Order: sequence, then C-alpha cells, then structure tokens
Amino acid sequence: NAGVTQTPKFQVLKTGQSMTLQCAQDMNHNSMYWYRQDPGMGLRLIYYSASEGTTDKGEVPNGYNVSRLNKREFSLRLESAAPSQTSVYFCASSAQGGKLDYGYTFGSGTRLTVV
Amino acid sequence: GENVEQHPSTLSVQEGDSAVIKCTYSDSASNYFPWYKQELGKRPQLIIDIRSNVGEKKDQRIAVTLNKTAKHFSLHITETQPEDSAVYFCAARSNDYKLSFGAGTTVTVRA
Repeated sequence: NAGVTQTPKFQVLKTGQSMTLQCAQDMNHNSMYWYRQDPGMGLRLIYYSASEGTTDKGEVPNGYNVSRLNKREFSLRLESAAPSQTSVYFCASSAQGGKLDYGYTFGSGTRLTVV
Repeated sequence: GENVEQHPSTLSVQEGDSAVIKCTYSDSASNYFPWYKQELGKRPQLIIDIRSNVGEKKDQRIAVTLNKTAKHFSLHITETQPEDSAVYFCAARSNDYKLSFGAGTTVTVRA
C-alpha cells in the first residue's frame, strides 16, 4: 500500500519551460489536492478535485492547470514556468462524507526550482 | 473562504516542558480541525484531529482543545522530547472538504 505517490521528487526548470507533476493514490479516496509550500506561508491550495470528473481553483491557481485523469491520478501542469513558482509542491488525497476519516494523506513532495 | 491564523511562529522549549500552539479560524461552519507535524524535508503527517462535536481529545503526550464559541483550537504537547522538534500546522475544514492551513509553528526542543 503506497498511499500517495508523487513524481518527480526534484526538478529544475528554466523560465518559460513547461512540466507536469504527477500524483497517484491507491486508497480509493474521492478527493485530491495540490498545495504549494513556501517558507513562512504554510500550505496554500492551488487546485483540488472533490471527485472524479471535477476540478476547482484554490487560493493560488494562476499559472497552473490540473487534470483528474481518473479516480487515482491528479496531475498539475505548469505551462510556462516562472521563478515565482519555485516551491515545494505537495499532492494530497482524502475520503469524504459519512463516518469516513477526513484527514489528508500527503505525498512526499516535489521540490521545484525555476531559474 | 476560511482563514486560519497560528501562533507563535517559533517556539523553543526545554526538554520535559510543555508546548502550546494556538490557532483561530474565521468560518463558523468549520467542523474538522487536524494538526500536522512536518519534519525537515519530509511530508506533513497527521498527528491528531478533532471534530466540532468534541471539546478535547488526547493521544498519549498530545492533546487538542476546541472552543467553538471563540473559534479557536490549541495543540498541547507535554513532556517534550527532542523528537518533537518539527514544524506543526493547524488546519480547519468547512463544508467544502478543503483544508485551510495555518502558517506553521517551528518547535525546537532543547536538550
């Protein structure tokens, strides 16, 4: 049982390049999320997917796009990377509803540097 | 949306002493309040959570209290140990299943 798997773990991009961060969970969770973590700012929500087939913007969506490929996979795409997108990115998933546990399970993170 | 404020931003305690971290939230509809611990270079991990129908919850050396009227909740760590050194995040979830996080507290336990 791997939980939430993120790839890659590290990435260096040049300004203007594009890339996709991959995330997959094997816990049959309905909801998936992408956060970025910057020093002193906690975890800020970029996009989320409450269920398969739906995606919504979080508090910092500019410069990003997402795809909920199926129930297991939720990818984050940077179309034209900017230095301001240098951050650590975390994917997370959760069950929802009824008596299910609402806590998030996080992936191991992707450390992205844009030069 | 929900706004979560967390204090203090840094906390240094002597080994064996207690540590307390406080958070406030803005949305009275929030009903779930987890706490995460993040060690250096690692992912955040859930350490304890509380739901809005409960005022206090304990798990060994950690406890969380919730005051819905005042819209604040706190994490208490007793008998601190060096392995408690980490960044701690509080969070609150309202009806849309999204968690809003505080900015984090860096806890250092001095030997």
